[in-house]
Amino acid sequence: AQSVTQPDIHITVSEGASLELRCNYSYGATPYLFWYVQSPGQGLQLLLKYFSGDTLVQGIKGFEAEFKRSQSSFNLRKPSVHWSDAAEYFCAVGEQGGSEKLVFGKGTKLTVNP
Amino acid sequence: DAMVIQNPRYQVTQFGKPVTLSCSQTLNHNVMYWYQQKSSQAPKLLFHYYDKDFNNEADTPDNFQSRRPNTSFCFLDIRSPGLGDAAMYLCATSRDSTGWETQYFGPGTRLLVL
Repeated sequence: AQSVTQPDIHITVSEGASLELRCNYSYGATPYLFWYVQSPGQGLQLLLKYFSGDTLVQGIKGFEAEFKRSQSSFNLRKPSVHWSDAAEYFCAVGEQGGSEKLVFGKGTKLTVNP
Repeated sequence: DAMVIQNPRYQVTQFGKPVTLSCSQTLNHNVMYWYQQKSSQAPKLLFHYYDKDFNNEADTPDNFQSRRPNTSFCFLDIRSPGLGDAAMYLCATSRDSTGWETQYFGPGTRLLVL
């Protein structure tokens, strides 16, 4: 069964600093990969997704992520963080070939200092 | 503008007293999902409907049931809530059920069991 690991439970960065959130997955084939963001008290919003093609994916709000098959990773990046980016970020993997299931990581909570 | 609507946003119930959570969507999507998200944990899929076909996750307790009377609405029924069922319940929709489809989430209903 596929699994997703987000090694960092909580990250704190200063506003304007760069950000990288880590995500590692375990899956036999090429997975479908997603990053979702959840603001406090809100549902999840899709930032970006990857399923084929260019391994560098651009998303909303200035985020990007890079798929690295050799490292089984799909890390999320942003060059300059804004205070409004403070939220919880979830990496998820979708299964190719028929399962509707998304498997989520446990999330990384991002705090942004002024 | 709201696409996935959940009511109520907060629900307080008593131990053992049945409770129903509501989800509606304006996207006309075929698939509707219910997730349970406990504090500082990843969303966990309880079940989903593809149109009228119900798909239960193997580890979803029998205490949790769902109804989808039409395309737009889906309900989560908890027959006898226990203290361990206190959580955020997220409804999501997707156009189709392939692994790469984006899921659109509602804001969630936070359930408190007294």
